[in-house]
Amino acid sequence: EPEVTQTPSHQVTQMGQEVILRCVPISNHLYFYWYRQILGQKVEFLVSFYNNEISEKSEIFDDQFSVERPDGSNFTLKIRSTKLEDSAMYFCASSLGDGNTEAFFGQGTRLTVV
Amino acid sequence: QKEVEQNSGPLSVPEGAIASLNCTYSDRGSQSFFWYRQYSGKSPELIMFIYSNGDKEDGRFTAQLNKASQYVSLLIRDSQPSDSATYLCAVSNYNNNDMRFGAGTRLTVKP
Repeated sequence: EPEVTQTPSHQVTQMGQEVILRCVPISNHLYFYWYRQILGQKVEFLVSFYNNEISEKSEIFDDQFSVERPDGSNFTLKIRSTKLEDSAMYFCASSLGDGNTEAFFGQGTRLTVV
Repeated sequence: QKEVEQNSGPLSVPEGAIASLNCTYSDRGSQSFFWYRQYSGKSPELIMFIYSNGDKEDGRFTAQLNKASQYVSLLIRDSQPSDSATYLCAVSNYNNNDMRFGAGTRLTVKP
């Protein structure tokens, strides 16, 4: 069964460093998303991406964050100059689009900023 | 601000009982409604979606939507201990480009 895959599963980085989280969405899906979940808190929407551009972003998704689809399969989230409060689980998701709006999630990347 | 509200629980039901989970949302323009299940330390897993007013049944799960009341619910019949998890309500607009989650309701099914 097709699935969303994320790498790495766990990333530890020093405060101030840049990190790139990687995702491979389901191959025929057209919409891609990043969410984050701080430990013990709700799943928070960061950004959606469609047709090679950002479709919607939340108030959390400031200039520190960027997304890219560098090739036909990968979808990345870059966090510049990480802060301690960026420590969270980051989930990538994708949906087929075109009336099929159900989003399927990857297993997540746990980011720890020290 | 697009809000999705859920009772955080915990909700505890005995095995075999019906578990009822509720969700309200603030954006009247919302078009798509989802229930996800999240086990501790895992990613959200889609279990139901509903787009139209009324009921939608899938096995032991029934989703109910009332757009006039801005209310969506999930019923789990014949609850099993393996149903113990946090249930997340998610709401999206027509373009599905900003699906927002509630905080989740933690369900415990006791054997």
